[in-house]
Amino acid sequence: AQSVTQLDSQVPVFEEAPVELRCNYSSSVSVYLFWYVQYPNQGLQLLLKYLSGSTLVKSINGFEAEFNKSQTSFHLRKPSVHISDTAEYFCAVTPRQGGSEKLVFGKGTKLTVNP
Amino acid sequence: DGGITQSPKYLFRKEGQNVTLSCEQNLNHDAMYWYRQDPGQGLRLIYYSQIVNDFQKGDIAEGYSVSREKKESFPLTVTSAQKNPTAFYLCASSPPGTGGNEQFFGPGTRLTVL
Repeated sequence: AQSVTQLDSQVPVFEEAPVELRCNYSSSVSVYLFWYVQYPNQGLQLLLKYLSGSTLVKSINGFEAEFNKSQTSFHLRKPSVHISDTAEYFCAVTPRQGGSEKLVFGKGTKLTVNP
Repeated sequence: DGGITQSPKYLFRKEGQNVTLSCEQNLNHDAMYWYRQDPGQGLRLIYYSQIVNDFQKGDIAEGYSVSREKKESFPLTVTSAQKNPTAFYLCASSPPGTGGNEQFFGPGTRLTVL
């Protein structure tokens, strides 16, 4: 079985400041890793994912995440946030084997960007 | 425009009533999922289906039922046996593959029990 821990439930930051949202996972098998974003009263959208290859993955809107196998982490970072980044962010994993796309989610981190 | 639609957006139910939430996709995806979202709890899997006429229980299936008679549709019924049904319900779908595919989410249905 897999589990995901997002260490911070809420992260307030000022506009143009850097931010890091932390994600650790536990699994007895290899996993794929995802970050999803949810804007208020909407569904989730994929932000980025790690499948294989380079451990640093980037999104089109400036976020990046680094897979660290030894620390079982997949932290999300952005060097300079905007007001529009205010949303809830979910880290998720799914096992590589088995062929199922079932995702196990963390409890989410609410990012609030203040002017 | 391809995507996932959920209806209604808001739903109110009296205690003891069954209600059905609709989920339709035109992405030609084989797999579909239902999640429940509660504040501070993340998303928890209720049911999922990898192919028509087949579905499996997720982590919190008690008090819920589903059907998958068509590839495009995966309705969720919240029965009177669900003790605390007030929540935000999200439907998702994903293309076939060996794992690692993105799940595409609908806009959600907010269910409130009066």
